[in-house]
Amino acid sequence: KAGVTQTPRYLIKTRGQQVTLSCSPISGHRSVSWYQQTPGQGLQFLFEYFSETQRNKGNFPGRFSGRQFSNSRSEMNVSTLELGDSALYLCASSLVQGSTNEKLFFGSGTQLSVL
Amino acid sequence: QKEVEQNSGPLSVPEGAIASLNCTYSDRGSQSFFWYRQYSGKSPELIMSIYSNGDKEDGRFTAQLNKASQYVSLLIRDSQPSDSATYLCAVTPREYGNKLVFGAGTILRVKS
Repeated sequence: KAGVTQTPRYLIKTRGQQVTLSCSPISGHRSVSWYQQTPGQGLQFLFEYFSETQRNKGNFPGRFSGRQFSNSRSEMNVSTLELGDSALYLCASSLVQGSTNEKLFFGSGTQLSVL
Repeated sequence: QKEVEQNSGPLSVPEGAIASLNCTYSDRGSQSFFWYRQYSGKSPELIMSIYSNGDKEDGRFTAQLNKASQYVSLLIRDSQPSDSATYLCAVTPREYGNKLVFGAGTILRVKS
């Protein structure tokens, strides 16, 4: 069974631009979560989607948004990029949503560099 | 106070020794506890989950949970150089959903 697939693997953008990252969860998994990882802040929760609805949101500005499609694939968008948005963006999938016992499986991530 | 705290290390142990990694959390209502391993330049990989007080063993790994002390640990027996990585403790807070709160991670170095 294929794992979580994230594209692209690397991105270089300039300040003020916008970017869209893509995530395909493990087949059969319906919940997709997004995390930002930086050396200073570690792994921080961005948001979670299930059945095309955002179920949970972290403490990030409105420039960060996402969506989920009917096939459970998800996209994350960051508008008006800032230097501080440079990070590894990780997508994680799980079978269901709302069960605190659910295990999350991470994709390889998209390394975003903002110049 | 950070929600999940870990000693950043590095923790250095000789090959074959037991590595002990510790984590404390602040939300007493936290439900589930996970240990992820992350190699440099790679994504986190789930290695252990624990939901109730006590010990849970899986191969060379043992997770220990003490909810009264708000403490979770990971023991790695017969440590190998391939275990050298950053170990991330993650906690599911009491709120509904699959949100994980991560600690900053402990760097483990196993010397051969």
